[in-house]
Amino acid sequence: GENVEQHPSTLSVQEGDSAVIKCTYSDSASNYFPWYKQELGKRPQLIIDIRSNVGEKKDQRIAVTLNKTAKHFSLHITETQPEDSAVYFCAASTESGGSQGNLIFGKGTKLSVKP
Amino acid sequence: KAGVTQTPRYLIKTRGQQVTLSCSPISGHRSVSWYQQTPGQGLQFLFEYFSETQRNKGNFPGRFSGRQFSNSRSEMNVSTLELGDSALYLCASSPRTSGGAFFGQGTRLTVV
Repeated sequence: GENVEQHPSTLSVQEGDSAVIKCTYSDSASNYFPWYKQELGKRPQLIIDIRSNVGEKKDQRIAVTLNKTAKHFSLHITETQPEDSAVYFCAASTESGGSQGNLIFGKGTKLSVKP
Repeated sequence: KAGVTQTPRYLIKTRGQQVTLSCSPISGHRSVSWYQQTPGQGLQFLFEYFSETQRNKGNFPGRFSGRQFSNSRSEMNVSTLELGDSALYLCASSPRTSGGAFFGQGTRLTVV
């Protein structure tokens, strides 16, 4: 089955710096790669996603890149702010016929942005 | 639109009991999935329902089961509770066409 590895497990940056979180997956059939942000005591929130027919996607300060050949994808956050502090999870799944499939999550990265 | 709603928010049960958790998806979403979140294991997939049919199942024992109703609402049941079942149980719903799973607030289950 699918396995998703996520690095680093913790990341500390200064406000205004960039943060990069990397994930690798094992199943070449995976075609959907979302990223979630989870603040303490709250639900995971979808912040950006990418499908296997796209190499990069941006949304304001957040971008995700996908390398299908190497089976890895990354989250890039620019101009970090204290409110970006949270645990970030990557995930992979195989979408088909309207089904989201089963999301396989990485172990998470705790991002701390120091003011 | 209202978000994904899970009830109850908190539960305390004793070992050996059973529990039923409920999830109401976002209106129009037909895919509902359940996940278990623990500090040690992270987020683990339990099962997915789509149009009242179980489409996928994670690697959990048969004590964990679920179902989906015709209005897309879903329930999951855990029988013969064990201490290790203490976790946050999250439900997520997904629209048919655009993907993306949207999570509810979760049910915090404590088994004592």
